[in-house]
Amino acid sequence: QQQVKQSPQSLIVQKGGISIINCAYENTAFDYFPWYQQFPGKGPALLIAIRPDVSEKKEGRFTISFNKSAKQFSLHIMDSQPGDSATYFCAASRWDDKIIFGKGTRLHILP
Amino acid sequence: DAGVTQSPTHLIKTRGQQVTLRCSPKSGHDTVSWYQQALGQGPQFIFQYYEEEERQRGNFPDRFSGHQFPNYSSELNVNALLLGDSALYLCASSLEAGQGGSEKLFFGSGTQLSVL
Repeated sequence: QQQVKQSPQSLIVQKGGISIINCAYENTAFDYFPWYQQFPGKGPALLIAIRPDVSEKKEGRFTISFNKSAKQFSLHIMDSQPGDSATYFCAASRWDDKIIFGKGTRLHILP
Repeated sequence: DAGVTQSPTHLIKTRGQQVTLRCSPKSGHDTVSWYQQALGQGPQFIFQYYEEEERQRGNFPDRFSGHQFPNYSSELNVNALLLGDSALYLCASSLEAGQGGSEKLFFGSGTQLSVL
């Protein structure tokens, strides 16, 4: 049973555009929703995270939008740059439990 | 300040063999988690070690075992290797399991295991 479903699998965006990646979860006990960024040959790195008591969190060009009733959350990358080209993973966990990852989205920003 | 270090970076084994992967956590971290990342997939949780004991375990067979040492470093052992064990094995460290701190995972670059 896949507890975190991520879409799309791959995404191509023009430089300066907005990249949007979506995730849906099933377990209403989840209370922590991070996004990780992974470059080839590297491990994932925490990008931004949100808890369900807020609907949006912004850090620089990266924003998480959270919809608790729909059990969905998304990552928005504003003014996308070629350096943002990477694989992005959404994830979820309950307090102090293991983090469960989505299958990932390969993002390519066209120069 | 060194981050999470893993060794070796690459490894080639044949079916039926045994393998040991090693991980040194980020300075100050006391909790180590291991993940398996198959090609084109997200990381899958194997297990987590805290205070030298296995604290949580994912849906992996007993062929996968681990250990944590007093200095918080950790090993992942896989016995009777199968072709399907070929993957990137990631170690992640965090702080204060049991206090909610284990959410903030810091990953190493992984060990790429190929089973022939």
